[in-house]
Amino acid sequence: DQQVKQNSPSLSVQEGRISILNCDYTNSMFDYFLWYKKYPAEGPTFLISISSIKDKNEDGRFTVFLNKSAKHLSLHIVPSQPGDSAVYFCAASARGGAQKLVFGQGTRLTINP
Amino acid sequence: ETGVTQSPTHLIKTRGQQVTLRCSSQSGHNTVSWYQQALGQGPQFIFQYYREEENGRGNFPPRFSGLQFPNYSSELNVNALELDDSALYLCASSLGGVLSSYEQYFGPGTRLTVT
Repeated sequence: DQQVKQNSPSLSVQEGRISILNCDYTNSMFDYFLWYKKYPAEGPTFLISISSIKDKNEDGRFTVFLNKSAKHLSLHIVPSQPGDSAVYFCAASARGGAQKLVFGQGTRLTINP
Repeated sequence: ETGVTQSPTHLIKTRGQQVTLRCSSQSGHNTVSWYQQALGQGPQFIFQYYREEENGRGNFPPRFSGLQFPNYSSELNVNALELDDSALYLCASSLGGVLSSYEQYFGPGTRLTVT
């Protein structure tokens, strides 16, 4: 049972344009959501997060939007840069017990010059 | 501030053998989580340790076990290795307890190949 889904395995965007990565979840108990970026041969790097009490969080070029009613979140990167080319993972966590992260399958983002 | 480190980087084992993977958490963090990432998949939660006690476990059999030491470093042990255990094993550290934070910070991983 895939509780967190990233339905696009890959995305290609031109440098300078907006990249939009999407994520859906099914578990209503999730109350915190995170995005990680992963380069080959490295571990995932934390990018940005959002609590379920918010619908938007910004950090520089990165903005995460949360739509609780649709159980959907998205990561916007503006403007996209070649160094943003990586695999992006959406993750979710529920309050209580172990703070385990439940990850999506990842989306490979390629920024073209 | 020292980040999360893992050793070894790569490991090749034979089916049926046992393996131990090691992780040093980021300074100031008291919680360590282990994840298994198969090719083309997202990381899957194995278990978490907080103050040397197992704090939660994912859907992994008992042959996956762990330890956390007083300095918050950790080990992942896998007995009776199977071919499907071939994966990238990731360690993540975080702050648990009263000042807990959801953000987890990952090490570079150990690539385990079982033949």
